[in-house]
Amino acid sequence: GNSVTQMEGPVTLSEEAFLTINCTYTATGYPSLFWYVQYPGEGLQLLLKATKADDKGSNKGFEATYRKETTSFHLEKGSVQVSDSAVYFCALSRQGAQKLVFGQGTRLTINP
Amino acid sequence: DTAVSQTPKYLVTQMGNDKSIKCEQNLGHDTMYWYKQDSKKFLKIMFSYNNKELIINETVPNRFSPKSPDKAHLNLHINSLELGDSAVYFCASSQDSRGGGETQYFGPGTRLLVL
Repeated sequence: GNSVTQMEGPVTLSEEAFLTINCTYTATGYPSLFWYVQYPGEGLQLLLKATKADDKGSNKGFEATYRKETTSFHLEKGSVQVSDSAVYFCALSRQGAQKLVFGQGTRLTINP
Repeated sequence: DTAVSQTPKYLVTQMGNDKSIKCEQNLGHDTMYWYKQDSKKFLKIMFSYNNKELIINETVPNRFSPKSPDKAHLNLHINSLELGDSAVYFCASSQDSRGGGETQYFGPGTRLLVL
């Protein structure tokens, strides 16, 4: 079946550190890949997405590249800020499936 | 204006009760969803509707009954609430997502606590 695996959290970094959150997926065909972010007490917001292999999604300094050969979509940011503290979800959707399949989420805390 | 709204935001109730959660989207989307987030933050699809038609029912107990009176609304009714139903329920919407790449827009969530 389709599944998404994220690196275990929680992740704690200092401000201005480099961030990587690993995400790998299992899916038939060519899924679209997403990163959603959930700030404390809020719903999920789309952070970025990529719909085909080698596409790079980017937003707010975050980037992720769709790597079909390694079935990965790792999230990176060069210099994190305290305001980036949140739970990050990697997700996929397959053509025709009409649903998102989520990873388990990674809680990120940035200390000043 | 809120794009996807849910009411109530918090719901505390006793086991065995029946309760409803309402969801409305003003984005003109064709597809709406209910997701459940458990205490470990894991998110799982429950239902998906496209133009008021049920598309996905992901092995949810039949105590849960979604209803879509029109394509802007998707309500969730839960009968005979159990302790294990305690979770955060998120409504979402998207354009027709059969292509697979559509962004889903989420509501703020309804935090249900069953005592």
